[in-house]
Amino acid sequence: ELKVEQNPLFLSMQEGKNYTIYCNYSTTSDRLYWYRQDPGKSLESLFVLLSNGAVKQEGRLMASLDTKARLSTLHITAAVHDLSATYFCAVPPMNRDDKIIFGKGTRLHILP
Amino acid sequence: EAGVTQSPTHLIKTRGQQATLRCSPISGHTSVYWYQQALGLGLQFLLWYDEGEERNRGNFPPRFSGRQFPNYSSELNVNALELEDSALYLCASRGLWGTSSYNEQFFGPGTRLTVL
Repeated sequence: ELKVEQNPLFLSMQEGKNYTIYCNYSTTSDRLYWYRQDPGKSLESLFVLLSNGAVKQEGRLMASLDTKARLSTLHITAAVHDLSATYFCAVPPMNRDDKIIFGKGTRLHILP
Repeated sequence: EAGVTQSPTHLIKTRGQQATLRCSPISGHTSVYWYQQALGLGLQFLLWYDEGEERNRGNFPPRFSGRQFPNYSSELNVNALELEDSALYLCASRGLWGTSSYNEQFFGPGTRLTVL
């Protein structure tokens, strides 16, 4: 059964600092999604990573995928307060479109 | 293009009652997924509907059920409500396999269910 683990689950950091959130998954998959959730709100799609070595960047966020290591990272560069949110990675089982498995989420709190 | 919509935004029920939550997918999307996000438990997959049929369900008891209508909107019913059913219920939609962008799921704003 596919399991998805994120770490850390909670991160408090200063503005201007860099940090990385890690997402490990237990069985083969060909895609990985990163979502952002603000408190009380729904999930907003950030990145879709489709292949080994895929790297995508949007503003201060950069996501990468290593399918061989079953690892994705979400790197935050020079954090700003507006990035405070909970970030989820999600992985679908290989060749299946019935559901995607979410990590528990990383709650990111950026101090001004 | 309108996104996924859900109603109601908030729902307050008492133990033993039934709750009905509704979801309208993005136009052209045929698959609807339901997730439960309880405090501290992350997102748990509940149900998947496609073309009017239930295709898969997560590890939830039978009192969680639903259906998908011909217009692809969906309804989630929770019978015999228990306190631990209090959660944010999220609906997501996806287009036909291989046709929508990256086959990703797009989420609605959610329904906050509180069971007293």
